[in-house]
Amino acid sequence: AQSVTQLDSQVPVFEEAPVELRCNYSSSVSVYLFWYVQYPNQGLQLLLKYLSGSTLVKGINGFEAEFNKSQTSFHLRKPSVHISDTAEYFCAVSAPHNNAGNMLTFGGGTRLMVKP
Amino acid sequence: DGGITQSPKYLFRKEGQNVTLSCEQNLNHDAMYWYRQDPGQGLRLIYYSQIVNDFQKGDIAEGYSVSREKKESFPLTVTSAQKNPTAFYLCASTPRPGGGSGANVLTFGAGSRLTVL
Repeated sequence: AQSVTQLDSQVPVFEEAPVELRCNYSSSVSVYLFWYVQYPNQGLQLLLKYLSGSTLVKGINGFEAEFNKSQTSFHLRKPSVHISDTAEYFCAVSAPHNNAGNMLTFGGGTRLMVKP
Repeated sequence: DGGITQSPKYLFRKEGQNVTLSCEQNLNHDAMYWYRQDPGQGLRLIYYSQIVNDFQKGDIAEGYSVSREKKESFPLTVTSAQKNPTAFYLCASTPRPGGGSGANVLTFGAGSRLTVL
């Protein structure tokens, strides 16, 4: 079984400042890792994913994340945020060869609040 | 454009009533999922279906029921047995079950917000 912990429930930041949203996971097997974004009253959209290969993954809207196997982390970063980045961000993990289907385990979410 | 359509977007229910949330996809995806979202708890899996006429319980299936009679449709019924049904419900799909780099990427609908009066 796997689990995901998003260490910050809310992250306030000023516009044009850098931001890091933290995500740690636990799993006894190798995993796939994802970040999704949810704007108010909408479904989730994929920001980026790590499946294999380079540990630095670039996604949409200028976001990137780095997979750190030794620290079991997959933190999301953006060098300069915009007001439009205000949303809830979810980290998720799945096992590549899970015979029960493509089950994702989600973290509790981090609300990013960008202030002018 | 392909996607997932959930309806209704907002729904109000009196205690003791069953309600059904619709989820339709035109992505030709094999697998479909229902998640429940509560503030601060992330998404929790209610039911999932990998193929037509088959579905499995997720982590919080009690008080819910589903059917998968067609590949495109995966309706969720919230029964009167669900003690705390007020939540945001999300339907999702993936191309196919079991492994593969694309198989794990969920496509989500816009959600249905259920409120019990």
